[in-house]
Amino acid sequence: EPEVTQTPSHQVTQMGQEVILRCVPISNHLYFYWYRQILGQKVEFLVSFYNNEISEKSEIFDDQFSVERPDGSNFTLKIRSTKLEDSAMYFCASTGPPGAVSGANVLTFGAGSRLTVL
Amino acid sequence: GNSVTQMEGPVTLSEEAFLTINCTYTATGYPSLFWYVQYPGEGLQLLLKATKADDKGSNKGFEATYRKETTSFHLEKGSVQVSDSAVYFCARTDTGTASKLTFGTGTRLQVTL
Repeated sequence: EPEVTQTPSHQVTQMGQEVILRCVPISNHLYFYWYRQILGQKVEFLVSFYNNEISEKSEIFDDQFSVERPDGSNFTLKIRSTKLEDSAMYFCASTGPPGAVSGANVLTFGAGSRLTVL
Repeated sequence: GNSVTQMEGPVTLSEEAFLTINCTYTATGYPSLFWYVQYPGEGLQLLLKATKADDKGSNKGFEATYRKETTSFHLEKGSVQVSDSAVYFCARTDTGTASKLTFGTGTRLQVTL
């Protein structure tokens, strides 16, 4: 079954450092997302991406965050200057186009990248 | 705004017990409703979904019925197994955004022998 792949599975970084989290969405999917889950809290939407641009972002997704699809397969989340409160599990997700047989509303999530900021 | 409320955990059950995890959602628009499961050390996996009122989603013995009149989507299973131990998240689509999801806080289920 197709899956969303995320790397690294765990990254430890110092406060103020830049971090790039990588995702390989399912190959025929067109919509891409980042969510995060701070330990013990709910899963929160960060950003959605379609047609090489951000389609929606939450209040959490401030200027220190950016997303990019540098090639035909990768989808990255960059945190420019990490803060302690950025420590969380970051989930990438993707979904097909509206009307697709697989179900446009069904997000397929990756296993997550755990970020620890010290 | 859109929100999802789940019963707080942890829920601890003996194997073969009946499970109910309550979930209610705000009644804005016509959302699709989902249950996702997160096994220890893994990501979110879709467990089941329902896209309109009175639909019943089912998978792996779990069921949930989309109840518009009570704005609920409670998860049930007749006989839980130790392997069902995980965190269960209820979610809804956002109004006007077919694929963006709003999640509940998650309910941890621990099944013991």
